Amino acid sequence: EDQVTQSPEALRLQEGESSSLNCSYTVSGLRGLFWYRQDPGKGPEFLFTLYSAGEEKEKERLKATLTKKESFLHITAPKPEDSATYLCAVQVGYTGNQFYFGTGTSLTVIP
Amino acid sequence: KAGVTQTPRYLIKTRGQQVTLSCSPISGHRSVSWYQQTPGQGLQFLFEYFSETQRNKGNFPGRFSGRQFSNSRSEMNVSTLELGDSALYLCASSFSGGELFFGEGSRLTVL
Repeated sequence: EDQVTQSPEALRLQEGESSSLNCSYTVSGLRGLFWYRQDPGKGPEFLFTLYSAGEEKEKERLKATLTKKESFLHITAPKPEDSATYLCAVQVGYTGNQFYFGTGTSLTVIP
Repeated sequence: KAGVTQTPRYLIKTRGQQVTLSCSPISGHRSVSWYQQTPGQGLQFLFEYFSETQRNKGNFPGRFSGRQFSNSRSEMNVSTLELGDSALYLCASSFSGGELFFGEGSRLTVL
């Protein structure tokens, strides 16, 4: 059964304290792994797409990496405005847009 | 460029009623997907429409249905509402495949 698991469920960091979020997956026919950020009361906002093991993407304080079984979202020197829920999603199927989402990691960065 | 627009933003219904939610995608996007988001289950895929055809379907009962019009606007309908249908319903559009652009959602409460 296709499954996406994110850990930890919640993470509290001091401003400037770097950490990593984990997304592990078991799916057949992975087409891509996506990271999104969701703020309270908003829809998810796209961050990164990774397609093959070993691939890395960076954006400001965030870096996403991918292996054959998991992805990490590394947050370097976070700021309070990085507080949000981070979702990973795997794209499956032969055509179209069908995604399995993890339940997310709620990140709080304390000033 | 206008984003994905969902209406209504909030609605309250009683068990047994039906509801129709509307989604206007980003101009030029032909793929529209619907997701149900609940605290316990996270985002769960309902279905995807592309050029007025359902291209993918998730594991939801037949009470959940959708359609897409020639202008790419989409509606989803839930009939015979149950308490467990209370959720945030998110619509996402995409040019063809990959990165999803989400609306802010329609929050449904079933009493």
